[in-house]
Amino acid sequence: QKEVEQNSGPLSVPEGAIASLNCTYSDRVSQSFFWYRQYSGKSPELIMSIYSNGDKEDGRFTAQLNKASQYVSLLIRDSQPSDSATYLCAVLAGGTSYGKLTFGQGTILTVHP
Amino acid sequence: EPEVTQTPSHQVTQMGQEVILRCVPISNHLYFYWYRQILGQKVEFLVSFYNNEISEKSEIFDDQFSVERPDGSNFTLKIRSTKLEDSAMYFCASSESSRLGQYFGPGTRLTVT
Repeated sequence: QKEVEQNSGPLSVPEGAIASLNCTYSDRVSQSFFWYRQYSGKSPELIMSIYSNGDKEDGRFTAQLNKASQYVSLLIRDSQPSDSATYLCAVLAGGTSYGKLTFGQGTILTVHP
Repeated sequence: EPEVTQTPSHQVTQMGQEVILRCVPISNHLYFYWYRQILGQKVEFLVSFYNNEISEKSEIFDDQFSVERPDGSNFTLKIRSTKLEDSAMYFCASSESSRLGQYFGPGTRLTVT
């Protein structure tokens, strides 16, 4: 069973701080990694994709991937109260998979003013 | 911006009845998916669909479930003989390729009584 593990939190940070969210995965052949944001009662919203080792920046978000350590992270700079949500790490199964995403249980982030 | 749409937003049905959940994927996407999320639990993969056939399915997706693309725009999930444990949010998603990020619809909340 391929697993994706996240610290469920809650993670509480003050407005303007950096929020750091972490994820580990078990499937060594995975090639595609995603971060989704899910507000309470809403659907997952794709915010970052990363496919190769290193950092990828998009606005206030930076995704980091280390395939050797099977580790993905998301940094949110200048955190805002509107960033308060559950952040889901999702890993695309490797090999002959046709788009099966395996999700972590999510990290609840609270940004307080 | 193109988005995935789903109908209905909420479906209540009695145990043993059949339900059909409907989705309109993003128009230029070729890969379609169904996921479900039981309240308080992880998002779980059900099935992927490409070129008018199932590409991959999970162990959850047994004979009780079926998918269909009845025309050029709709993508449906049929659940036969519903059970109490089928109560969940059902999300449709689509992507341009099986390796890229998936975009989720708003979901259908299915309640089986």
